[in-house]
Amino acid sequence: GAVVSQHPSWVICKSGTSVKIECRSLDFQATTMFWYRQFPKQSLMLMATSNEGSKATYEQGVEKDKFLINHASLTLSTLTVTSAHPEDSSFYICSARARPMGSGRFSYNEQFFGPGTRLTVL
Amino acid sequence: KNEVEQSPQNLTAQEGEFITINCSYSVGISALHWLQQHPGGGIVSLFMLSSGKKKHGRLIATINIQEKHSSLHITASHPRDSAVYICAALYYGGSQGNLIFGKGTKLSVKP
Repeated sequence: GAVVSQHPSWVICKSGTSVKIECRSLDFQATTMFWYRQFPKQSLMLMATSNEGSKATYEQGVEKDKFLINHASLTLSTLTVTSAHPEDSSFYICSARARPMGSGRFSYNEQFFGPGTRLTVL
Repeated sequence: KNEVEQSPQNLTAQEGEFITINCSYSVGISALHWLQQHPGGGIVSLFMLSSGKKKHGRLIATINIQEKHSSLHITASHPRDSAVYICAALYYGGSQGNLIFGKGTKLSVKP
């Protein structure tokens, strides 16, 4: 497999502040990164899809001005939760889709998940 | 509507038992993922398959395209296998590879 890291792994912040979460593919280039949110005992829900160098595509019901996504390079995407509120408290997970390589290391559409970031807004 | 259904929802087994977790989906897919989520929350990709069968250690994943069904098997289960197992489908037409997730199967393996 391949390694995706997230930073921080957990964060506690006050209501009204902004929080940035980083997602990095450590040993491969990611053509696309996905941001998910998971509430307790629920499935992962896709928030947005981002391609390097272009604007993110947000799922219905996800406020793009609240959840800012920047995908500056093929190995880094950031999610910024602006003016966080207690209802934004959740587990945020990114995944990265690897660029298929001639070596056959990755299959098309193969995704690798980060360990997640637990956000608690007080 | 594109859906992914898993069964059972919860599963308790004794160490050493053979485990089967099932996943069914509603229409044609281009790939199906099996994921493992530990209590801390982190997710590990176990398999991605579009046909046939894959094996990694004690884990085996199979998919039957005609029946729109996939299974994850764990042989000689161990308490460290305790986790939530999630199947996720990539449907044809799914934009850019976003997945539809099942609700997960919570597995608890007792020593």
